[in-house]
Amino acid sequence: NAGVTQTPKFQVLKTGQSMTLQCAQDMNHNSMYWYRQDPGMGLRLIYYSASEGTTDKGEVPNGYNVSRLNKREFSLRLESAAPSQTSVYFCASSTLAGSSYNEQFFGPGTRLTVL
Amino acid sequence: KNEVEQSPQNLTAQEGEFITINCSYSVGISALHWLQQHPGGGIVSLFMLSSGKKKHGRLIATINIQEKHSSLHITASHPRDSAVYICAVRGSEKLVFGKGTKLTVNP
Repeated sequence: NAGVTQTPKFQVLKTGQSMTLQCAQDMNHNSMYWYRQDPGMGLRLIYYSASEGTTDKGEVPNGYNVSRLNKREFSLRLESAAPSQTSVYFCASSTLAGSSYNEQFFGPGTRLTVL
Repeated sequence: KNEVEQSPQNLTAQEGEFITINCSYSVGISALHWLQQHPGGGIVSLFMLSSGKKKHGRLIATINIQEKHSSLHITASHPRDSAVYICAVRGSEKLVFGKGTKLTVNP
């Protein structure tokens, strides 16, 4: 049982390049999330998917797109990377118990540098 | 103003000391989470609570819904407790995070 996995762990891009961050969970969770973490700031939500087939913008969606490929996988795409997108990216998942969400499980993070 | 405020931002303690980290929030919530981020970067969930108090080993989390305040206590602190502790509140589907409290426990 791997929990939440993310690839790659590290990436360096040049301005304007594109890339996709991959995330998968094996806990049969309905909801998945992409966050970014910057120094001096709390985790900020980029996009989330409350259930398979749905995606919604979070606090900082500009410059990103997402795909909920199936229940397990939720990818984050940077179409044209900018230095402001240098950050650590975390994927997370959780599920509903009745009408309440349970705890979130986090992936190990992807450290992205855009030059 | 941030919806979630943590204090202190940084905390240094000696091994064995009793630690308290505070979290105040300004919105109605369905649950409050305490998370731990290890020096290597990994994030794990410690507690999720919506009322009262929870205990796990040397860690205790309390919440006062009326005062919109939660505390995380660590008893008999140890250097391996050194980490960033993050408070997050859930209104509906999403979590809103505090900036974290960096705890260093010296031997």
